Amino acid sequence: DQQVKQNSPSLSVQEGRISILNCDYTNSMFDYFLWYKKYPAEGPTFLISISSIKDKNEDGRFTVFLNKSAKHLSLHIVPSQPGDSAVYFCAASAEGNTPLVFGKGTRLSVIA
Amino acid sequence: DSGVTQTPKHLITATGQRVTLRCSPRSGDLSVYWYQQSLDQGLQFLIQYYNGEERAKGNILERFSAQQFPDLHSELNLSSLELGDSALYFCASSVDPGRNYGYTFGSGTRLTVV
Repeated sequence: DQQVKQNSPSLSVQEGRISILNCDYTNSMFDYFLWYKKYPAEGPTFLISISSIKDKNEDGRFTVFLNKSAKHLSLHIVPSQPGDSAVYFCAASAEGNTPLVFGKGTRLSVIA
Repeated sequence: DSGVTQTPKHLITATGQRVTLRCSPRSGDLSVYWYQQSLDQGLQFLIQYYNGEERAKGNILERFSAQQFPDLHSELNLSSLELGDSALYFCASSVDPGRNYGYTFGSGTRLTVV
């Protein structure tokens, strides 16, 4: 049973436009959420995170929104750049010593 | 370079064989995590070690085992290999095992079982 779901395997966006990547979770004990970016032949790299006490966290072009009642979070990238083309993983953790649970990822392609 | 070193990068072996994957965590990180990424699958958590002790276990098969040594490097041992074990195996490390501020991942070991 997948506790973290990324229902869109792929997304294609034009350069300069907004990219919105979505993630849903089922475990109500999750209280910390992260996004990772992965390029081919490299390991995932940490992008941005959000605690459940917040509903928004922003870092430059990247903003993560959290809707706890809907158990849904999204990553917004504005403006999208060709270098953003990668696989994006959503991950979640419950309070305490719980390892990150990852979704299957969404492949973002930013077209110039 | 993320600071997490995984060796080897690629490994091709036959069914029934045994292999060892190695991971050196980022300097100062005490926690090591192993994840498996199979085709069309996300990162599946296998096992976590903190300062030499097993801390958490995920969906790790009995044929798989791991350990963390006093110098904090970790090894993942995969035995009686099957075709379905072909995957990318990632190691990650972090400072704090009790609260996740993000892991640093290595570039992975691609295992192909033929």
